[in-house]
Amino acid sequence: SQQGEEDPQALSIQEGENATMNCSYKTSINNLQWYRQNSGRGLVHLILIRSNEREKHSGRLRVTLDTSKKSSSLLITASRAADTASYFCATGGSGGGNKLTFGTGTQLKVEL
Amino acid sequence: DGGITQSPKYLFRKEGQNVTLSCEQNLNHDAMYWYRQDPGQGLRLIYYSQIVNDFQKGDIAEGYSVSREKKESFPLTVTSAQKNPTAFYLCASKLLRDSGNTIYFGEGSWLTVV
Repeated sequence: SQQGEEDPQALSIQEGENATMNCSYKTSINNLQWYRQNSGRGLVHLILIRSNEREKHSGRLRVTLDTSKKSSSLLITASRAADTASYFCATGGSGGGNKLTFGTGTQLKVEL
Repeated sequence: DGGITQSPKYLFRKEGQNVTLSCEQNLNHDAMYWYRQDPGQGLRLIYYSQIVNDFQKGDIAEGYSVSREKKESFPLTVTSAQKNPTAFYLCASKLLRDSGNTIYFGEGSWLTVV
């Protein structure tokens, strides 16, 4: 079952603009992660935020987490054409199995 | 170089055939995973294994089988029982001591039914 759902499904912006993607999930979590996938490639881990954190930064990335609303957002500032990719949120549940459940993804296109 | 190697990158399967996708990791990770991704979709978990000689079904295990005879290897067999196998398959691994739960992915294998 899909735990997370990203919004929007697709986003097209100009280089230099900020891109914001949102993720909603259904059950309690230990942490939430964001991954990036270039077309036809594997996923690459970007950033992790724990359930007791509200905001985290890494370079041009800013992630927020609102556990009361079961939602997270990923902000990419000053976007570049190289940021064009699909972005997925993934949640690690409080149960066993060390499994990650992925959302449906946001396809970001950054145009020159 | 350390990492996860999937092979082949592209594979074609005829109707009624079983095919096996290889996944090898030299990261000394304990857990390994297989995900399926359909075009424009998210990832769905097929099988996962936390230790050698043990594995569990994920959300869409029907028509697939796995083995975990060695820590570094987790091959996935797509059997003829899988009626719609055309997809992108991703293998991943994780160090169980990593409290952050980050997993690392291979580059994926494309399977097409012809």
